[in-house]
Amino acid sequence: NAGVTQTPKFQVLKTGQSMTLQCAQDMNHEYMSWYRQDPGMGLRLIHYSVGAGITDQGEVPNGYNVSRSTTEDFPLRLLSAAPSQTSVYFCASSTSSNTEAFFGQGTRLTVV
Amino acid sequence: AQTVTQSQPEMSVQEAETVTLSCTYDTSESDYYLFWYKQPPSRQMILVIRQEAYKQQNATENRFSVNFQKAAKSFSLKISDSQLGDAAMYFCALGDTGNQFYFGTGTSLTVIP
Repeated sequence: NAGVTQTPKFQVLKTGQSMTLQCAQDMNHEYMSWYRQDPGMGLRLIHYSVGAGITDQGEVPNGYNVSRSTTEDFPLRLLSAAPSQTSVYFCASSTSSNTEAFFGQGTRLTVV
Repeated sequence: AQTVTQSQPEMSVQEAETVTLSCTYDTSESDYYLFWYKQPPSRQMILVIRQEAYKQQNATENRFSVNFQKAAKSFSLKISDSQLGDAAMYFCALGDTGNQFYFGTGTSLTVIP
């Protein structure tokens, strides 16, 4: 049982480059979300989705885009990377926002 | 807006002893859920325990238990018989019916052999 699969695990980008962080889950969860984790700040919600075709902004959405074309996949796009986006990113899925969230293993992103 | 506060950035405990991690929160909702997640050095986020706000009984999971004080908006985690494997970052979190999830800033727990 794969759970939540997040790729890549590590990535270095140059300022201005674009990339997509991939997230897939095989638990048929409706709710999926992206977080960034920065030292001393915990996890902050970037974007979330309550089902295919439905996305919404979280606490820190600027600089990130998402889409949800299928229940399984929820990619996070950085259109023009900035050093302020250096962080560890987590994808999570759950049946709803008030049930247990299952997390991917995280992506450590460095923007130079 | 909902907030979750963990006022202890670091805690330490002797192996086999008991430690309590503090968490307070603020929400205007009456229906919400509270969680404690553990993040070991592997970076994986692991659910430790979950509490429904409408339940008065405190949740327990083996050596882990919570003290949920709804009126005081307090949700502390007690770890009994601490083990070396309990060393990790612990996050308190709140999930509401507005589809948002809020995390505290975390408490780093060290277990001393």
